[in-house]
Amino acid sequence: QKEVEQDPGPLSVPEGAIVSLNCTYSNSAFQYFMWYRQYSRKGPELLMYTYSSGNKEDGRFTAQVDKSSKYISLFIRDSQPSDSATYLCAMGRAGANSKLTFGKGITLSVRP
Amino acid sequence: NAGVMQNPRHLVRRRGQEARLRCSPMKGHSHVYWYRQLPEEGLKFMVYLQKENIIDESGMPKERFSAEFPKEGPSILRIQQVVRGDSAAYFCASSPPGQVNAPQHFGDGTRLSIL
Repeated sequence: QKEVEQDPGPLSVPEGAIVSLNCTYSNSAFQYFMWYRQYSRKGPELLMYTYSSGNKEDGRFTAQVDKSSKYISLFIRDSQPSDSATYLCAMGRAGANSKLTFGKGITLSVRP
Repeated sequence: NAGVMQNPRHLVRRRGQEARLRCSPMKGHSHVYWYRQLPEEGLKFMVYLQKENIIDESGMPKERFSAEFPKEGPSILRIQQVVRGDSAAYFCASSPPGQVNAPQHFGDGTRLSIL
């Protein structure tokens, strides 16, 4: 079993839809969680960073963490064509700066 | 954007040659991480460095790969005697000192192609 599993894609939605992206993990040592957005031929761009269970909202984006279920989600409200990109979940261990473990990523396409 | 700078953006090498990838972290950042992204795969950690020190190289292949982050200048990821399987996008990330579990910010990567 991989440490981080991300829903396979690709995912195509109409403009204005609510998008739900999900990752599960198996290692309870993961304590902080990130979502990155990656456009084609570019580097990952940090979208959301959370350290505890619960919800964190930033504009149209909401990150949700459920440590008891080892499950994280990213919700995108009122999706826009500019949201079309690959979304990567990433996780790290607490206590010291350390490597991140990434999901494979899911490619989202928002149709105008 | 005074972000993480990587160069070159694209690098073509023939089998057996050496590849050198450079990374300048964000201003004020002293922690550097290298990741590799293969087609259809997520990013895989390779090595974590601070100035003049390798902190964690658990993801680095034991042979042909090395990394450094000297006191002055960029971090360098060096691949000797490249093979076709080294073709990938290599990303560098950085984070600031003094913040435990600080988020990592990425450059736009170097795309390495091996002929």
